[in-house]
Amino acid sequence: DQQVKQNSPSLSVQEGRISILNCDYTNSMFDYFLWYKKYPAEGPTFLISISSIKDKNEDGRFTVFLNKSAKHLSLHIVPSQPGDSAVYFCASNTPLVFGKGTRLSVIA
Amino acid sequence: DTAVSQTPKYLVTQMGNDKSIKCEQNLGHDTMYWYKQDSKKFLKIMFSYNNKELIINETVPNRFSPKSPDKAHLNLHINSLELGDSAVYFCASSLRGQQFFGPGTRLTVL
Repeated sequence: DQQVKQNSPSLSVQEGRISILNCDYTNSMFDYFLWYKKYPAEGPTFLISISSIKDKNEDGRFTVFLNKSAKHLSLHIVPSQPGDSAVYFCASNTPLVFGKGTRLSVIA
Repeated sequence: DTAVSQTPKYLVTQMGNDKSIKCEQNLGHDTMYWYKQDSKKFLKIMFSYNNKELIINETVPNRFSPKSPDKAHLNLHINSLELGDSAVYFCASSLRGQQFFGPGTRLTVL
């Protein structure tokens, strides 16, 4: 029973365009979410987070949107760069649950 | 000056053996974790320690025993290894909800 779901295993985007990675959760009690980025043979690294008291958090090219009524969050990367190619994990903080990840490929 | 380090990076062993994976963090964090990423790529929490005390223990076989000699270390000992234990194991520490992960240890049980 996946409490945090990333239904798209992969996504390909042209360099310079927007990448949108989606994440759904089942438990309305989840109140803090994080996105992590993972390169091959490395551990995940923190990217951006959002608290349930907000519906948007922005950090440079990365923006996370939270729709509490839909139990949905999304990570927008704009403009996408080849170095963004990695696996992106969505996670809730309490409890600690990770999605399965979405592999983003940014094509030059 | 690696923040969270794990050793070894790769571990290949026979079924039935006992092995340990070591983890150290130099970030001064109070909380450390072990995660397992299986062949289906799910990243699942196994254990969490806060100030050397166990605070999260998910449904993990008791062949897995974490040991925290001090706040900076959380080692994972696995007894009687089974084929299904093959996975990548990540250690992490956290501050204000943000996890800092080690590079992972790929365990292969033959």
